[in-house]
Amino acid sequence: EDQVTQSPEALRLQEGESSSLNCSYTVSGLRGLFWYRQDPGKGPEFLFTLYSAGEEKEKERLKATLTKKESFLHITAPKPEDSATYLCAVPAFNQAGTALIFGKGTTLSVSS
Amino acid sequence: SQTIHQWPATLVQPVGSPLSLECTVEGTSNPNLYWYRQAAGRGLQLLFYSVGIGQISSEVPQNLSASRPQDRQFILSSKKLLLSDSGFYLCAWSPWVQAGGVSTDTQYFGPGTRLTVL
Repeated sequence: EDQVTQSPEALRLQEGESSSLNCSYTVSGLRGLFWYRQDPGKGPEFLFTLYSAGEEKEKERLKATLTKKESFLHITAPKPEDSATYLCAVPAFNQAGTALIFGKGTTLSVSS
Repeated sequence: SQTIHQWPATLVQPVGSPLSLECTVEGTSNPNLYWYRQAAGRGLQLLFYSVGIGQISSEVPQNLSASRPQDRQFILSSKKLLLSDSGFYLCAWSPWVQAGGVSTDTQYFGPGTRLTVL
């Protein structure tokens, strides 16, 4: 069964304190791994798609990396506005299309 | 550019009442459309998806149903709500891919509807 597990569930950082979020997956035939940011009461906002092991993508203070079994979202010198829940997802085949299997997310809190 | 709308933003309904949530997408044609539910402490759960008008696939058996009366309109309904239907409902779209083309699978989400069933 395809699965996505994120850790830690919650992470508290001081402003400027860099860290990483983990997303491990088990899926037959990876066709991409997606990172989203979700603010409270809002829909997830697309951040990155990674397609192959070794691939890296960056956006401002965020950098996503991918290995054969997991992905990391590195946050460098975070600011309070980076506080959000970060979700990762992988596509899984179904009969007539594709669905995204989401992890439960990591809730990041950055204090000044 | 593409935009996705959902309404209402919030809804409080009594148990046993009907439900209709609407999602519309602008700026694209023939999108794949999805309904997800996000319950407290749980991840996003796919409920329905559609690859075209009148084509609906269900992922989870329940008292909810979905319809796609127009290309860019997706509706989530229920005849009688249960307490367990409470949650945050999200609509998403992904680009249509021509047969033989490569799908990016990237899905873009709407702002969501917060449903509370009392």
